[in-house]
Amino acid sequence: DQQVKQNSPSLSVQEGRISILNCDYTNSMFDYFLWYKKYPAEGPTFLISISSIKDKNEDGRFTVFLNKSAKHLSLHIVPSQPGDSAVYFCAASPLGGSNYQLIWGAGTKLIIKP
Amino acid sequence: GAGVSQSPRYKVAKRGQDVALRCDPISGHVSLFWYQQALGQGPEFLTYFQNEAQLDKSGLPSDRFFAERPEGSVSTLKIQRTQQEDSAVYLCASSLVVTGTGFSYEQYFGPGTRLTVT
Repeated sequence: DQQVKQNSPSLSVQEGRISILNCDYTNSMFDYFLWYKKYPAEGPTFLISISSIKDKNEDGRFTVFLNKSAKHLSLHIVPSQPGDSAVYFCAASPLGGSNYQLIWGAGTKLIIKP
Repeated sequence: GAGVSQSPRYKVAKRGQDVALRCDPISGHVSLFWYQQALGQGPEFLTYFQNEAQLDKSGLPSDRFFAERPEGSVSTLKIQRTQQEDSAVYLCASSLVVTGTGFSYEQYFGPGTRLTVT
């Protein structure tokens, strides 16, 4: 069973508009969430994270929102740029002793159209 | 500074062959992780080292998989008697453990080794 789900395999957005990537999770014990970005033939690169004690974290063009009651988080990119075209992974870390172990979604491929 | 490096970048093995995948983490990073990523999926945890100690190997899919980090820096993931289902990208990541305040969740990834078993 997938504990972290990214239901959209791909998303196409016009350059300059807002990109919204979604992630749902099932385990209420997750207490820290991360977004990673991956270009082809490269490893994932950390983008932004959020602790479960917050509902929003912002870093430049990237904002992550967390809705604990809905077990849902989203990544907003505004304005979207061509270099944002990549696969975006949502990952979660469970509370407790094994909090180093990240549980990953399947990824969403973001395509920014010029 | 240099990031995480992995070698080889690509490996083709015949079924039944043994393979060894190498990871050079970022200098000074205490934690090292191995992940397996199948096509179209997110990475799946295989094993975790803190320095030379393998603290968690719960994700290793079978006893054909073995990982080591003897001096607390370079790590090798070995797969014996490879099977077709072992075909995947193997990712290595390292992170700097922040002592006193818990783990650093941010993991820095290498480019991966794409293993194809024919």
